[in-house]
Amino acid sequence: GAVVSQHPSWVICKSGTSVKIECRSLDFQATTMFWYRQFPKQSLMLMATSNEGSKATYEQGVEKDKFLINHASLTLSTLTVTSAHPEDSSFYICSALPGGIYNEQFFGPGTRLTVL
Amino acid sequence: AQSVTQLGSHVSVSEGALVLLRCNYSSSVPPYLFWYVQYPNQGLQLLLKYTSAATLVKGINGFEAEFKKSETSFHLTKPSAHMSDAAEYFCAVSGQGAQKLVFGQGTRLTINP
Repeated sequence: GAVVSQHPSWVICKSGTSVKIECRSLDFQATTMFWYRQFPKQSLMLMATSNEGSKATYEQGVEKDKFLINHASLTLSTLTVTSAHPEDSSFYICSALPGGIYNEQFFGPGTRLTVL
Repeated sequence: AQSVTQLGSHVSVSEGALVLLRCNYSSSVPPYLFWYVQYPNQGLQLLLKYTSAATLVKGINGFEAEFKKSETSFHLTKPSAHMSDAAEYFCAVSGQGAQKLVFGQGTRLTINP
């Protein structure tokens, strides 16, 4: 149980295009989902926290208009990188937090974004 | 506010030797502490977590960690390393259950045959 999927697992796009990444909790409902960014050989940096049905909360320094987050249901959150540029190339990882007494985030396998 | 410092970006041990990965934390509230493992191009898998219960926490794959409040540490150990333990390990802290994890910079564990 507690499986989180991400789609696509990798994507290559041209500079200026937009890319949407999906994060799904497959066997539980996630009241909260998180989006992280990881540069090569570095740690995970929290980008934003999304709660179902409300606006995402972005961390300081993260551009809200560039990284659009939509948590449309209790099992799906999407991250859209708008007008992507090469510096947006990174590994994006989502995680999901079940409701109730759970005190553990479940992580997706990540999405490798390469912007040419 | 919370922060984590992992001492040693790279640790190398021989197969069968003790594994010790160091983590020190800072937290203004009673912390929740986590150790995660990441294999190349994959997400994170939880090894173990401390949530204010027993200070010695046992996790998966033979790993364990001890919460020491006086030393603000949560070091990860395994008595005997296996080749399959080679990966990146992250220590994380949260002051709000599992909300808003703050990660350390990671330690790459290499196992020598």
